[in-house]
Amino acid sequence: QKEVEQNSGPLSVPEGAIASLNCTYSDRVSQSFFWYRQYSGKSPELIMSIYSNGDKEDGRFTAQLNKASQYVSLLIRDSQPSDSATYLCAVSGNQFYFGTGTSLTVIP
Amino acid sequence: DTGVSQDPRHKITKRGQNVTFRCDPISEHNRLYWYRQTLGQGPEFLTYFQNEAQLEKSRLLSDRFSAERPKGSFSTLEIQRTEQGDSAMYLCASSPLGSGRYNEQFFGPGTRLTVL
Repeated sequence: QKEVEQNSGPLSVPEGAIASLNCTYSDRVSQSFFWYRQYSGKSPELIMSIYSNGDKEDGRFTAQLNKASQYVSLLIRDSQPSDSATYLCAVSGNQFYFGTGTSLTVIP
Repeated sequence: DTGVSQDPRHKITKRGQNVTFRCDPISEHNRLYWYRQTLGQGPEFLTYFQNEAQLEKSRLLSDRFSAERPKGSFSTLEIQRTEQGDSAMYLCASSPLGSGRYNEQFFGPGTRLTVL
């Protein structure tokens, strides 16, 4: 079992829709959770961090964390073509693990 | 620009050669991380430093890899006797310590290594 699992996609949504990205993790001692966006050929860019159960909103982005279910998600509202990228889930506990990423395409 | 910088951005080398990469973190950041990323995969943790101390090193990291951060500022990652399997993007990231946002990592542009 991988430490962090994400659906690789691709996930396609129409412009203006909500994109929902999901991530599960295996290490119960994990304490910090992050979402990164990575455009093709570029390095990851931090877009959200979350540390406690519940929702955290930042602009069009909402991160949701459920430690009991070992699940973290990212919602992108009013999706734009510029949101088309790979979204990486990262988890920090005893070590730092990234998932393999979910490819998102927003169709104009 | 006060972001993380990496040098060189691209490196092509022949199998068996040694290569060294440099990373300059965001100036006030105490922690520095090295990752390796191959196509279609997420970044794979290699090692991290808190100031000049190397606190953790992935067990996946072979003895051919070594990293230093001698003065707690910039860091170097050296790969000895490169192999074709070392071809990847090498990413450096830094994060502040004690700000209440530990482990929020900010990445540099990466060094793309191609081993022929």
